[in-house]
Amino acid sequence: QVQLVQSGAEVKKPGASVKVSCKASGYTFTSYDISWVRQAPGQGLEWMGWISAYNGNTNYAQKVQGRVTMTTDTSTSTAYMDLRSLRSDDTAVYYCARAGVADFDPWGQGTLVTVSS
Amino acid sequence: QSALTQPASVSGSPGQSITISCTGTSSDIGGYNYVSWYQQHPGKAPKLMIYDVTNRPSGVSNRFSGSKSGNTASLTISGLQAEDEADYYCSSYTSSSTVLFGGGTKLTVL
Repeated sequence: QVQLVQSGAEVKKPGASVKVSCKASGYTFTSYDISWVRQAPGQGLEWMGWISAYNGNTNYAQKVQGRVTMTTDTSTSTAYMDLRSLRSDDTAVYYCARAGVADFDPWGQGTLVTVSS
Repeated sequence: QSALTQPASVSGSPGQSITISCTGTSSDIGGYNYVSWYQQHPGKAPKLMIYDVTNRPSGVSNRFSGSKSGNTASLTISGLQAEDEADYYCSSYTSSSTVLFGGGTKLTVL
Protein backbone atom coordinates (compact mmCIF):
# COMPACT_ATOMS: atom_id res chain seq x y z
CA GLN A 1 0.00 0.00 0.00
CA VAL A 2 1.01 3.61 -0.47
CA GLN A 3 2.95 4.78 2.58
CA LEU A 4 5.02 7.76 3.65
CA VAL A 5 7.36 7.27 6.62
CA GLN A 6 8.98 10.30 8.20
CA SER A 7 12.08 10.74 10.32
CA GLY A 8 11.94 11.08 14.09
CA ALA A 9 11.36 13.99 16.42
CA GLU A 10 13.93 16.79 16.62
CA VAL A 11 14.83 19.39 19.25
CA LYS A 12 16.66 22.45 17.95
CA LYS A 13 17.86 25.75 19.32
CA PRO A 14 16.71 29.05 17.85
CA GLY A 15 18.73 29.94 14.77
CA ALA A 16 19.54 26.34 13.92
CA SER A 17 18.33 24.28 10.95
CA VAL A 18 16.34 21.06 10.74
CA LYS A 19 16.00 18.54 7.92
CA VAL A 20 13.02 16.18 7.92
CA SER A 21 12.87 13.17 5.62
CA CYS A 22 9.88 11.40 4.11
CA LYS A 23 10.37 7.98 2.51
CA ALA A 24 7.70 6.90 0.05
CA SER A 25 6.73 3.36 -0.91
CA GLY A 26 3.96 1.57 -2.76
CA TYR A 27 3.80 3.81 -5.83
CA THR A 28 5.97 5.35 -8.57
CA PHE A 29 7.68 8.16 -6.68
CA THR A 30 8.23 10.41 -9.69
CA SER A 31 4.55 10.36 -10.70
CA TYR A 32 3.42 12.64 -7.87
CA ASP A 33 4.38 15.83 -6.10
CA ILE A 34 5.16 15.84 -2.39
CA SER A 35 3.74 18.57 -0.21
CA TRP A 36 4.74 19.65 3.30
CA VAL A 37 2.21 20.85 5.85
CA ARG A 38 2.83 21.85 9.46
CA GLN A 39 0.63 22.12 12.52
CA ALA A 40 1.65 24.14 15.57
CA PRO A 41 0.47 22.81 18.94
CA GLY A 42 -3.30 23.20 19.24
CA GLN A 43 -3.48 25.02 15.92
CA GLY A 44 -4.67 24.33 12.38
CA LEU A 45 -2.92 23.08 9.28
CA GLU A 46 -0.52 25.33 7.39
CA TRP A 47 0.63 24.51 3.85
CA MET A 48 4.38 25.10 3.41
CA GLY A 49 4.96 24.18 -0.20
CA TRP A 50 5.41 21.37 -2.67
CA ILE A 51 8.00 19.78 -4.87
CA SER A 52 7.64 17.82 -8.06
CA ALA A 53 9.33 14.46 -7.60
CA TYR A 54 9.54 14.31 -11.40
CA ASN A 55 11.65 17.41 -12.10
CA GLY A 56 12.34 19.03 -8.70
CA ASN A 57 10.29 22.15 -9.38
CA THR A 58 9.14 23.79 -6.16
CA ASN A 59 6.60 26.33 -4.95
CA TYR A 60 6.80 27.62 -1.38
CA ALA A 61 4.35 29.49 0.82
CA GLN A 62 5.23 33.13 1.23
CA LYS A 63 5.54 32.74 5.00
CA VAL A 64 8.51 30.37 4.80
CA GLN A 65 9.97 31.47 1.46
CA GLY A 66 13.69 32.11 1.88
CA ARG A 67 14.03 29.79 4.88
CA VAL A 68 12.80 26.51 3.41
CA THR A 69 14.24 24.16 0.80
CA MET A 70 12.43 21.06 -0.41
CA THR A 71 14.34 18.38 -2.27
CA THR A 72 13.92 14.79 -3.41
CA ASP A 73 16.21 11.81 -3.94
CA THR A 74 14.59 9.66 -6.62
CA SER A 75 17.12 6.85 -6.07
CA THR A 76 15.68 6.26 -2.60
CA SER A 77 12.14 7.65 -3.14
CA THR A 78 12.73 10.11 -0.33
CA ALA A 79 11.68 13.74 0.03
CA TYR A 80 13.36 16.22 2.34
CA MET A 81 12.29 19.50 3.94
CA ASP A 82 15.06 21.75 5.25
CA LEU A 83 14.01 24.72 7.41
CA ARG A 84 16.66 27.26 8.48
CA SER A 85 16.92 30.09 11.01
CA LEU A 86 14.46 28.32 13.30
CA ARG A 87 12.31 30.36 15.66
CA SER A 88 10.11 29.33 18.56
CA ASP A 89 7.01 29.71 16.38
CA ASP A 90 8.40 27.01 14.05
CA THR A 91 7.63 24.48 16.80
CA ALA A 92 5.12 22.17 15.14
CA VAL A 93 4.38 18.73 13.79
CA TYR A 94 5.60 18.63 10.20
CA TYR A 95 3.77 16.33 7.75
CA CYS A 96 4.67 15.25 4.25
CA ALA A 97 1.88 14.12 1.95
CA ARG A 98 1.56 12.78 -1.56
CA ALA A 99 -0.05 15.50 -3.63
CA GLY A 100 -2.67 15.19 -6.34
CA VAL A 101 -3.72 18.36 -8.15
CA ALA A 102 -4.38 20.08 -4.81
CA ASP A 103 -5.31 17.22 -2.52
CA PHE A 104 -3.06 15.29 -0.16
CA ASP A 105 -3.28 11.53 0.29
CA PRO A 106 -1.81 9.79 2.11
CA TRP A 107 0.04 11.69 4.81
CA GLY A 108 3.15 10.71 6.71
CA GLN A 109 2.89 10.07 10.42
CA GLY A 110 4.29 13.50 11.27
CA THR A 111 7.56 14.71 12.77
CA LEU A 112 7.57 16.91 15.87
CA VAL A 113 10.13 19.70 15.67
CA THR A 114 10.64 21.58 18.91
CA VAL A 115 12.55 24.87 18.88
CA SER A 116 13.71 25.84 22.34
CA SER A 117 16.71 27.42 23.95
CA GLN B 1 -3.12 35.12 2.33
CA SER B 2 -5.68 34.61 5.09
CA ALA B 3 -6.95 31.15 5.94
CA LEU B 4 -10.27 30.01 4.57
CA THR B 5 -13.09 30.65 7.04
CA GLN B 6 -14.68 27.72 8.86
CA PRO B 7 -16.91 27.68 11.95
CA ALA B 8 -14.88 26.85 15.04
CA SER B 9 -17.28 24.13 16.12
CA VAL B 10 -20.40 22.22 15.11
CA SER B 11 -22.30 19.50 16.90
CA GLY B 12 -25.00 16.95 16.23
CA SER B 13 -26.62 13.87 17.66
CA PRO B 14 -26.05 10.35 16.35
CA GLY B 15 -28.06 9.73 13.19
CA GLN B 16 -28.45 13.41 12.38
CA SER B 17 -26.79 15.33 9.51
CA ILE B 18 -24.45 18.25 9.88
CA THR B 19 -22.85 20.65 7.41
CA ILE B 20 -19.54 22.46 7.76
CA SER B 21 -18.99 25.55 5.62
CA CYS B 22 -15.72 26.87 4.22
CA THR B 23 -15.63 30.39 2.79
CA GLY B 24 -12.93 31.83 0.60
CA THR B 25 -12.68 34.19 -2.33
CA SER B 26 -12.80 34.15 -6.11
CA SER B 27 -9.01 33.62 -6.05
CA ASP B 28 -9.34 30.26 -4.36
CA ILE B 29 -12.61 28.39 -3.77
CA GLY B 30 -14.60 30.44 -6.26
CA GLY B 31 -12.03 30.13 -9.01
CA TYR B 32 -11.25 26.42 -9.01
CA ASN B 33 -12.92 23.07 -8.44
CA TYR B 34 -10.05 21.96 -6.25
CA VAL B 35 -11.53 21.95 -2.77
CA SER B 36 -10.59 19.14 -0.40
CA TRP B 37 -11.73 18.12 3.08
CA TYR B 38 -9.67 16.35 5.75
CA GLN B 39 -10.60 14.58 8.97
CA GLN B 40 -8.15 14.62 11.84
CA HIS B 41 -8.52 12.69 15.08
CA PRO B 42 -6.43 13.80 18.09
CA GLY B 43 -2.78 12.88 17.74
CA LYS B 44 -3.27 11.47 14.25
CA ALA B 45 -2.36 12.61 10.76
CA PRO B 46 -5.13 14.14 8.64
CA LYS B 47 -7.11 11.86 6.34
CA LEU B 48 -8.48 12.91 2.95
CA MET B 49 -12.29 12.65 2.90
CA ILE B 50 -13.30 14.68 -0.18
CA TYR B 51 -11.30 15.99 -3.14
CA ASP B 52 -12.14 18.09 -6.20
CA VAL B 53 -15.21 19.45 -4.36
CA THR B 54 -17.36 16.34 -4.56
CA ASN B 55 -15.22 13.23 -4.99
CA ARG B 56 -14.71 10.60 -2.30
CA PRO B 57 -11.49 8.57 -2.19
CA SER B 58 -11.86 4.82 -2.18
CA GLY B 59 -12.76 3.59 1.29
CA VAL B 60 -14.41 6.79 2.53
CA SER B 61 -18.01 6.31 3.63
CA ASN B 62 -20.73 7.67 1.34
CA ARG B 63 -22.12 9.45 4.43
CA PHE B 64 -19.57 12.15 3.57
CA SER B 65 -20.37 14.49 0.70
CA GLY B 66 -19.06 17.80 -0.60
CA SER B 67 -20.47 20.70 -2.57
CA LYS B 68 -19.65 24.25 -3.60
CA SER B 69 -21.57 27.41 -4.40
CA GLY B 70 -19.69 30.53 -5.37
CA ASN B 71 -16.90 31.18 -2.88
CA THR B 72 -18.24 28.75 -0.27
CA ALA B 73 -17.69 25.01 -0.08
CA SER B 74 -19.51 22.65 2.26
CA LEU B 75 -18.97 19.24 3.79
CA THR B 76 -22.07 17.29 4.83
CA ILE B 77 -21.95 14.26 7.08
CA SER B 78 -25.17 12.27 7.21
CA GLY B 79 -26.12 9.55 9.70
CA LEU B 80 -23.70 10.99 12.25
CA GLN B 81 -21.71 8.38 14.19
CA ALA B 82 -19.58 8.65 17.31
CA GLU B 83 -16.42 7.93 15.29
CA ASP B 84 -17.06 11.04 13.18
CA GLU B 85 -16.10 13.21 16.15
CA ALA B 86 -12.89 14.90 14.98
CA ASP B 87 -11.46 18.11 13.56
CA TYR B 88 -12.27 18.86 9.93
CA TYR B 89 -10.23 21.08 7.61
CA CYS B 90 -11.04 22.38 4.15
CA SER B 91 -8.41 23.39 1.64
CA SER B 92 -8.37 25.01 -1.79
CA TYR B 93 -6.01 25.58 -4.66
CA THR B 94 -5.29 29.28 -5.20
CA SER B 95 -4.47 31.60 -8.07
CA SER B 96 -0.86 31.72 -6.79
CA SER B 97 -0.49 27.97 -7.41
CA THR B 98 -0.46 27.45 -3.65
CA VAL B 99 -2.85 25.73 -1.26
CA LEU B 100 -4.82 27.42 1.50
CA PHE B 101 -6.32 25.62 4.48
CA GLY B 102 -9.28 26.60 6.59
CA GLY B 103 -8.87 27.21 10.31
CA GLY B 104 -10.54 23.91 11.18
CA THR B 105 -13.88 22.89 12.69
CA LYS B 106 -14.29 20.72 15.76
CA LEU B 107 -17.20 18.31 15.33
CA THR B 108 -18.78 17.06 18.54
CA VAL B 109 -21.18 14.11 18.44
CA LEU B 110 -23.55 14.61 21.36
